[in-house]
Amino acid sequence: AQKITQTQPGMFVQEKEAVTLDCTYDTSDQSYGLFWYKQPSSGEMIFLIYQGSYDEQNATEGRYSLNFQKARKSANLVISASQLGDSAMYFCAMREGTGGGNKLTFGTGTQLKVEL
Amino acid sequence: DTAVSQTPKYLVTQMGNDKSIKCEQNLGHDTMYWYKQDSKKFLKIMFSYNNKELIINETVPNRFSPKSPDKAHLNLHINSLELGDSAVYFCASSHLQGNSPLHFGNGTRLTVT
Repeated sequence: AQKITQTQPGMFVQEKEAVTLDCTYDTSDQSYGLFWYKQPSSGEMIFLIYQGSYDEQNATEGRYSLNFQKARKSANLVISASQLGDSAMYFCAMREGTGGGNKLTFGTGTQLKVEL
Repeated sequence: DTAVSQTPKYLVTQMGNDKSIKCEQNLGHDTMYWYKQDSKKFLKIMFSYNNKELIINETVPNRFSPKSPDKAHLNLHINSLELGDSAVYFCASSHLQGNSPLHFGNGTRLTVT
């Protein structure tokens, strides 16, 4: 089974609208972490937001928030007030367990395009 | 600037050659990584070092050999390059603890002809 599933290969959103990028995960660990990264067309990987499995509150960072539903094993990224500069590939990733370093397993990504 | 920097940015070479990619971080992290991004943009971990010790070694051909002279540097040497090695290679660093995000370098696009 895929550990991280991103079912939306491409998404379109109008400028200033909110958009939700889906991510579901599969793990039997009790302790894990979920990360979202942005990769613009220039190629760099930019860290956006982190959610720990024991965190009771949904993570927020500026216009980014993470809709964490533990029972459903989903960690969707919500981008509010989309901007043209948000057009990029977005990756969800998971770290399992507590030892052995931060080995991240990535999903296949969602290409987001923000339109005027 | 505090960052993860890797060189070169582009590498074009012929099959059978040996090449190296260098990576340095000045973020004070103790753990460094190499990830490979294939043509479909899928990212997969290759190696990780913590304080110069290898802690993650995924199923990677032994033509790939990482070297960490100190905790701020992690280089990747590739022997006998093959067409299938063409990809973008990302170096990253973090603290060892699980909630520390990985900070990535800008990637090295390797093209083997």
